[in-house]
Amino acid sequence: AQSVTQLDSQVPVFEEAPVELRCNYSSSVSVYLFWYVQYPNQGLQLLLKYLSGSTLVKGINGFEAEFNKSQTSFHLRKPSVHISDTAEYFCAVSPPGSARQLTFGSGTQLTVLP
Amino acid sequence: DTAVSQTPKYLVTQMGNDKSIKCEQNLGHDTMYWYKQDSKKFLKIMFSYNNKELIINETVPNRFSPKSPDKAHLNLHINSLELGDSAVYFCASSQGGEGSGNTIYFGEGSWLTVV
Repeated sequence: AQSVTQLDSQVPVFEEAPVELRCNYSSSVSVYLFWYVQYPNQGLQLLLKYLSGSTLVKGINGFEAEFNKSQTSFHLRKPSVHISDTAEYFCAVSPPGSARQLTFGSGTQLTVLP
Repeated sequence: DTAVSQTPKYLVTQMGNDKSIKCEQNLGHDTMYWYKQDSKKFLKIMFSYNNKELIINETVPNRFSPKSPDKAHLNLHINSLELGDSAVYFCASSQGGEGSGNTIYFGEGSWLTVV
């Protein structure tokens, strides 16, 4: 069994400030890790994913995430946010080769303030 | 071109009605899914389907049924709608298999409101 915990349900931040959205997971097997973004009244869009290799993963829109196996974390970061980054962000985990077992966290609402 | 498209985007209907949501993917994927997002934005898988097997989440009422006329389509039928069925339903697809990367591509969502 696997689970995902997103520690912050809401993160307000001022424009051009850095942001970190936290994600921790638990799993008895190796995992693939994902961050998805959901803009208001839109579907989910893949931001980035970690499958293997380099633990620092770069995604779209200037986001990056770092896989930390010892801390079972996959935190999402952006050095300078824009108003347009306001959205719900979901961390997700799945066993390799088993997309149907993709498990989502509860989401973090990022609100960028002017 | 939209990779995963679903219709309608918004649907308001009365309790007891039967409704369908259509989904099509043009990615050539072999697996399709339906997810439900509740009012707290929690996402939960309802079904996954490829040409070999249908896997149903055991918590999904049997009023919900997926229908796949071909590998590019997976429609969701809901019978006897209840107030608690109000949610956003997402269709999705992926290319299965070990090492495929497991990336699931989502549609834009269908906002269902039962009154």
